[in-house]
Amino acid sequence: NAGVTQTPKFRVLKTGQSMTLLCAQDMNHEYMYWYRQDPGMGLRLIHYSVGEGTTAKGEVPDGYNVSRLKKQNFLLGLESAAPSQTSVYFCASDGGRTSKNIQYFGAGTRLSVL
Amino acid sequence: AQTVTQSQPEMSVQEAETVTLSCTYDTSESNYYLFWYKQPPSRQMILVIRQEAYKQQNATENRFSVNFQKAAKSFSLKISDSQLGDTAMYFCAFMSQGGSEKLVFGKGTKLTVNP
Repeated sequence: NAGVTQTPKFRVLKTGQSMTLLCAQDMNHEYMYWYRQDPGMGLRLIHYSVGEGTTAKGEVPDGYNVSRLKKQNFLLGLESAAPSQTSVYFCASDGGRTSKNIQYFGAGTRLSVL
Repeated sequence: AQTVTQSQPEMSVQEAETVTLSCTYDTSESNYYLFWYKQPPSRQMILVIRQEAYKQQNATENRFSVNFQKAAKSFSLKISDSQLGDTAMYFCAFMSQGGSEKLVFGKGTKLTVNP
């Protein structure tokens, strides 16, 4: 079982460039999330989705967009990358009661914006 | 909004000894879930233990156990017989029951197990 897969694992961008991070889960989970992790800050929620075709803002949504066109995929986009978006990004999925409300995480994407 | 506080940024313990990591949270809800996640140097987030607030019995998973004090809004993690592989960041997290299943994380405690 692959679980939650994030691509790419590493990326370096120049300020102003755009990119999309892909998250795929094979557990048929309804809920999906994007977090960023910065030193000393824990994980902070960027955007999330409670089902196919839905998205909602989390704690730190500015500068990011998301889409959930298919249940198994959750995309995170940076339209114009800024150095402040240098971080490690994690995707997670949750099946609600079917998964005992446990979030399962991908391996993370380390992004550097120069 | 819920908040989660981990007051110990770093801790260390000798191999085979016991260590307790602290976590407090703030909420006005009565039903919720609490979690401890482990993040080793590999960066992968791994669930350690889960507690349902309506259950008075403290959760245990092998060498890991919690002390859940609902009235005090405290959720500490005890690691017994510490092993070198327990070296990691540990995050406490809160989830409201029902709705969007969002997690609110503490800032983490870096645990080092010394040989």
